[in-house]
Parts: sequence; structure tokens; C-alpha cells
Amino acid sequence: EDKVVQSPLSLVVHEGDTVTLNCSYEVTNFRSLLWYKQEKKAPTFLFMLTSSGIEKKSGRLSSILDKKELFSILNITATQTGDSAVYLCAVLVYNDMRFGAGTRLTVKP
Amino acid sequence: GAGVSQSPRYKVAKRGQDVALRCDPISGHVSLFWYQQALGQGPEFLTYFQNEAQLDKSGLPSDRFFAERPEGSVSTLKIQRTQQEDSAVYLCASSDPGTPNFFGYTFGSGTRLTVV
Repeated sequence: EDKVVQSPLSLVVHEGDTVTLNCSYEVTNFRSLLWYKQEKKAPTFLFMLTSSGIEKKSGRLSSILDKKELFSILNITATQTGDSAVYLCAVLVYNDMRFGAGTRLTVKP
Repeated sequence: GAGVSQSPRYKVAKRGQDVALRCDPISGHVSLFWYQQALGQGPEFLTYFQNEAQLDKSGLPSDRFFAERPEGSVSTLKIQRTQQEDSAVYLCASSDPGTPNFFGYTFGSGTRLTVV
């Protein structure tokens, strides 16, 4: 059975802190790993990772994939209150995505 | 449209009632997906369409769940004889295989279904 496990499940930090969110997976037919940010209801796309060891960056967010150890991390530097959300990791297998349960990040002023 | 539109935003159904949830994808998006998200959980795959063809319905939890996309654009997810365990947010997503981030799906805001 395909599994996507995220840790921690929740995290509370203060503005300016750096956080690292983890995603490990065990799936057959791995194609890509994706990160989403979910604030209200609609998850919004952050990154898609297909190759090992290549860091993707967008502003204060960055992510990297390790296909040998089957995990990915999402880093957020200099966190802001607007970063408060649930961060979802999803693994693309064939035509659909398997999601983890998410990490709920709360950034306090 | 500019985004994926879902309606209604909220639906309260009495147990045993049938419900229909609508998804209007981004114009021209070939692929359409339905997901079910229970409280505190990540979205769970339900079904996938490419144009009007339902290519994968392996995630539908029972034969009470039925989805269609007859003209390859708007899709409807129907749940018959709703039960309390059907209470969840139902997310629709669409994507365009022609774009570089093909699997960066665009999600709708979802329909929150509460079965009482």
C-alpha cells in the first residue's frame, strides 16, 4: 500500500524562525513529489520535484528530494505570519496523487 | 474561467439523502480530479477524468459514489443515500497536460458536506 508520511504533524514557531518540514514516502510507480500550501480549502501548488538532489527555490521557500532515501524536505526561512497554513506533501503515482496528512504550521508574531 | 469553481460551498444533507456536487474546471483543462478530504487529513483520491473519459475511479469508496463529465468540461460528483462517514470536504482539481507544471493541479475551494 502506498504511504506518504509527513512530520511533524504540527509546529508552532515565531516570526523570523526557520522551519523544516519532512515528507517520507513508500510508493510504487513514483513519478514526482509535490508540495502544496493549504490555507482555507484550496491547496495551492508550491513545488514539483522529480530528480534527486536538485533544490528548488521560491523566495523564502525551498525544497529538495532524495529518491534513494525516499524523502523530501520543505524549508521556510525567516517565517512570517502569512506562512501559517497546512503544508501538504503529495506523491504522483501514475495519474493520481497520494497525499500525506499535512503539517500544520503556525507562525506567531 | 480564471479558477476552478465548485458549488455549493456548503451542503448539509440528512442521512439517506442524495447529493450532487458540481465542479467547473479551468477552461481548456483536459484533466479533472476529485478528492475527498476528511477533517485533519490530507486529500484522498476519488476519481480522474481525461476529457469526458473516466480513466480511474479506483478511489470511489462505494457504489453510492458516482462521477460524470459528459461533455469534457463540468463534472458532477453524486453521492446516493448519504451516510455520516461521507461528511468531508470534496475538492476538485484540474490541470492541463500542455503546461510545464502539468501536475501542479489547480484546486477549487471545495464543497464541505455535512451529513446529519
